[in-house]
Amino acid sequence: GAVVSQHPSRVICKSGTSVKIECRSLDFQATTMFWYRQFPKQSLMLMATSNEGSKATYEQGVEKDKFLINHASLTLSTLTVTSAHPEDSSFYICSASEDGSSYNEQFFGPGTRLTVL
Amino acid sequence: GQQVMQIPQYQHVQEGEDFTTYCNSSTTLSNIQWYKQRPGGHPVFLIQLVKSGEVKKQKRLTFQFGEAKKNSSLHITATQTTDVGTYFCAGSEINDYKLSFGAGTTVTVRA
Repeated sequence: GAVVSQHPSRVICKSGTSVKIECRSLDFQATTMFWYRQFPKQSLMLMATSNEGSKATYEQGVEKDKFLINHASLTLSTLTVTSAHPEDSSFYICSASEDGSSYNEQFFGPGTRLTVL
Repeated sequence: GQQVMQIPQYQHVQEGEDFTTYCNSSTTLSNIQWYKQRPGGHPVFLIQLVKSGEVKKQKRLTFQFGEAKKNSSLHITATQTTDVGTYFCAGSEINDYKLSFGAGTTVTVRA
């Protein structure tokens, strides 16, 4: 199946700093990628839909100025957590499908565990 | 908005026994997908169901989509230690690009 990578896998940062997470589709082009957040022992919550060449679509309650998304190419989407605070500590996972929709199989990245001190 | 509910939240199973996890949606779904997340890992696609009343099998796993396309189930027979993990159902409404995930059923196995 298709492969999605994420970098970094783990990051620890100080409160107030910004952290960038990269999501790459390695063997297919992804016009659309999805960013999720997962708290310990909880489900995946969709944060935003990243669209190549246009603005991301954010879910209700997700601050777009806090979580900056850039989908610069057909294989790369980045999520930047700006001015991170301890409550932003979480597991962030991206996904993509080969046809750009959520209708078919989603390939998930390995996730990035963010810890804000 | 759409809500996908999953029960039970935890399932402790004796090795060799069967169990079922259930998924219910507040709205009619266009399709339902099942994913498995191993401890410390990321979700991995298992299967997709599209048709009303559809049943699909993968070895010891049987997936079912309800007639009204609002519920689904995953039944595992003869549970093995390799079945450990959290099973999520995820569905999208008709004409909606978003997937809504259930809370997941976390399975532990007693040898």
